[in-house]
Amino acid sequence: GQQVQQSPTSLVLQEGENAELQCNFSTSLNSMQWFYQRPGGSLISVFYNPSGTKQSGRLTSTTVIKERRSSLHISSSQITDSGTYLCAGKGSNYNVLYFGSGTKLTVEP
Amino acid sequence: GGIITQTPKFLIGQEGQKLTLKCQQNFNHDTMYWYRQDSGKGLRLIYYSITENDLQKGDLSEGYDASREKKSSFSLTVTSAQKNEMAVFLCASSSGTGQDTQYFGPGTRLLVL
Repeated sequence: GQQVQQSPTSLVLQEGENAELQCNFSTSLNSMQWFYQRPGGSLISVFYNPSGTKQSGRLTSTTVIKERRSSLHISSSQITDSGTYLCAGKGSNYNVLYFGSGTKLTVEP
Repeated sequence: GGIITQTPKFLIGQEGQKLTLKCQQNFNHDTMYWYRQDSGKGLRLIYYSITENDLQKGDLSEGYDASREKKSSFSLTVTSAQKNEMAVFLCASSSGTGQDTQYFGPGTRLLVL
């Protein structure tokens, strides 16, 4: 079936530390994406990364299709990075996204 | 740019009540979605619609109805609210092409007493 597993479930960092968020997805999924959700807020697309490595500022996403994994690296974390990061992929029906349960990131001063 | 508006922001209902949530988008997107998000869990798809008057069931459609009255609006009805139910309902839209992302509204928070 269509499965997306994220790890860790939660992560607490000191400001300035790096974060590594992992996503493993089933063979029926592709077109992996990362979303960010501030507490009480809506989802914002962070990366659309079907394969390879993409970087935007302090954020880097790497998707390795052969290994069925995608990662999100946050360097020099800031308090404003706190929130939930969700990984999602598309199946054969390209209209439908399947989401993981998310990683809740807390960055403390 | 565009925006997705969801009403109401908060919804408190009674057990057994029929409750309707509304969503509007001005992206001129073809496809619209309704998701449910429970605390500590990811998003689960309830219904989606690829064009006006179209409806497609997601994995969580039981207990819900939906209506795509026009391209810009998509409504979701909880047919019979369950006691102590608490969840966030998120509306999203996309252009419907294979490589696009989805844009989300701020959500409607439901509490059933």
